[in-house]
Amino acid sequence: GAVVSQHPSWVICKSGTSVKIECRSLDFQATTMFWYRQFPKQSLMLMATSNEGSKATYEQGVEKDKFLINHASLTLSTLTVTSAHPEDSSFYICSARDPSGGYNEQFFGPGTRLTVL
Amino acid sequence: AQSVAQPEDQVNVAEGNPLTVKCTYSVSGNPYLFWYVQYPNRGLQFLLKYITGDNLVKGSYGFEAEFNKSQTSFHLKKPSALVSDSALYFCAVSVNTDKLIFGTGTRLQVFP
Repeated sequence: GAVVSQHPSWVICKSGTSVKIECRSLDFQATTMFWYRQFPKQSLMLMATSNEGSKATYEQGVEKDKFLINHASLTLSTLTVTSAHPEDSSFYICSARDPSGGYNEQFFGPGTRLTVL
Repeated sequence: AQSVAQPEDQVNVAEGNPLTVKCTYSVSGNPYLFWYVQYPNRGLQFLLKYITGDNLVKGSYGFEAEFNKSQTSFHLKKPSALVSDSALYFCAVSVNTDKLIFGTGTRLQVFP
């Protein structure tokens, strides 16, 4: 089946620094990838939709200058949390849509736990 | 607005007994419905989906779900629960877009 990886799986950083999270589709080409945020014991909140070769579409309330998304190739999307603060601490999950896998079938990465001190 | 409701925060069931995790939805148009499972500190794993056709959908690990249009429900079921089924389960819906709207999740606890 389709596999999506994320790197790193966890990261701890100091307040004010920037952190980059990578999302890769390993065995398929993903024209569309999605970034979600999940708070403890809560559901997934869609942050943005990332399309290869074009600007990401952000959901309402998500700061695009703080959460920079780059989808430079058909297998890689990155999320950069700029000037991170403790309130940015969360579990970030990406997903990728496999065009050959039927309507809107998304495959999820294992997630990245970000802790900002 | 589209929404998904999972009315139970937690479902407890004894191993070997049947389990049901409830999901109802509210959409304009024909829904595409999904179930995912999440283990601690992991991403989501796809279980099954309903797009069209037979209302009873069979998925991974022995799970199945029934699409009920009149009740706008898509409950997840399994005839005989395993301890290893204990996890967090999410129902999701999309309509004519790539976006998935997730429910709040239901924690399934299967006791030996």
